[in-house]
Amino acid sequence: AQSVTQLGSHVSVSEGALVLLRCNYSSSVPPYLFWYVQYPNKGLQLLLKYTSAATLVKGINGFEAEFKKSETSFHLTKPSAHMSDAAEYFCAVSVGGNNNDMRFGAGTRLTVKP
Amino acid sequence: DGGITQSPKYLFRKEGQNVTLSCEQNLNHDAMYWYRQDPGQGLRLIYYSQIVNDFQKGDIAEGYSVSREKKESFPLTVTSAQKNPTAFYLCASNEGRGNTIYFGEGSWLTVV
Repeated sequence: AQSVTQLGSHVSVSEGALVLLRCNYSSSVPPYLFWYVQYPNKGLQLLLKYTSAATLVKGINGFEAEFKKSETSFHLTKPSAHMSDAAEYFCAVSVGGNNNDMRFGAGTRLTVKP
Repeated sequence: DGGITQSPKYLFRKEGQNVTLSCEQNLNHDAMYWYRQDPGQGLRLIYYSQIVNDFQKGDIAEGYSVSREKKESFPLTVTSAQKNPTAFYLCASNEGRGNTIYFGEGSWLTVV
C-alpha cells in the first residue's frame, strides 16, 4: 500500500527565507501526490498536485514541488517565506487518482519568525 | 458560494452517548468522505461514499456509522462503541476519481 513520510514535524524559518518541507512517498505504481495546507481550526486546502504530467508543479501562494522518482520525493518549496505561510502542511499520496486510497502524512507545522 | 458546511463546529459528548455530525455540500459532487484528525497523525479515512445510497468503510470505521440518502448530505454518527472519539473531524467531497478533494472546516468533538 502507498504511504508518505514527512520529515520534520516542525520547521521554523525567518521571514524572507527559503521554505523547504520534505515528503517521501512509497508506492508500487505511479502515484498522484498532493500538498495541502491547514490553518488553525480549518479544513485542508489544496496547494498543488502531481498527476504524472510535468515533474515541477507550481501551486498557489508561490509554492512549488518537484517530483523526483529516483529519490521517491515530492518536497515543497517557496523561495521567500511570508508570515501568512505559518500553518500545518500535509503531503498525501493516492494511486491512479483513487481518492479512497489517499494516504496523508503526519504533517509539518511551519513557523515563520519576523 | 459553493462549499462544504459542517456543523456543529464544537460538540461535547457524554460517555455512552451517540452524536451526529452534519456535512452538507452544494458542489454537486458525487463522492463524499469523512476523516478523523488527531495531533501528529495526519488524517485517517473513516467512511466514504461514491454515490447516493452507497458507502464504504475506510481504515477506522469501527464505532462510526454514516448514511447517504441525499447527494448533498453525508452525516456521521459517532456511537458509544467508539472508545476514543475526541478528535477533529473533517468532511470532504469531490467529483470523483482523480479530482481534487475539497474539505469542510471541521468539527471538534470532545468527550466529557
